[in-house]
Amino acid sequence: DGGITQSPKYLFRKEGQNVTLSCEQNLNHDAMYWYRQDPGQGLRLIYYSQIVNDFQKGDIAEGYSVSREKKESFPLTVTSAQKNPTAFYLCASRTTTERSNQPQHFGDGTRLSIL
Amino acid sequence: KQEVTQIPAALSVPEGENLVLNCSFTDSAIYNLQWFRQDPGKGLTSLLLIQSSQREQTSGRLNASLDKSSGRSTLYIAASQPGDSATYLCAVRPGSGGGADGLTFGKGTHLIIQP
Repeated sequence: DGGITQSPKYLFRKEGQNVTLSCEQNLNHDAMYWYRQDPGQGLRLIYYSQIVNDFQKGDIAEGYSVSREKKESFPLTVTSAQKNPTAFYLCASRTTTERSNQPQHFGDGTRLSIL
Repeated sequence: KQEVTQIPAALSVPEGENLVLNCSFTDSAIYNLQWFRQDPGKGLTSLLLIQSSQREQTSGRLNASLDKSSGRSTLYIAASQPGDSATYLCAVRPGSGGGADGLTFGKGTHLIIQP
């Protein structure tokens, strides 16, 4: 089946530690996105990438980094500079062949907690 | 900056009722509007996408309308069922220039359908 795979499902981070969340898609989508969701809040955009080897900051990029070396993969690193990393992280993708009418598809998320 | 508001924040109704969820947005310059469903601890499932030039979209018991000029959308659920219980999220894609991408989300409506 085609889809978006996020791993791990649960992740724990110690103070001062960097952690990397994985996102892989086999939908042949060009654009990929990372969102953060806090309890009772809507999703907020962290980073996005519209093409391989290029990415842009979203609304809350501070303390995060990404790479886009392959079309299928868009890993997110939560660095020690992110002071409040506990949240539910969601990865999404979409095709860009027709910009206006293609929905974003989402993975099942990674829940990150601080030890 | 685009802001998306969803009303009500929570709703509990008996099975079989027809119901309406509301979404409003402050900047009418959008490419499209998307309604999602989110089950507890899960990712988002796309329900309906309405292009900026469209007035409504239908899928089964769901109907979404869009009034772009007034910055409003509604999601109508007919003959509600307990399986419809979830959080429903509204999101808009920016239509402004500059290459900005990503969705702006509301905080969602938490829906409970009582058997």
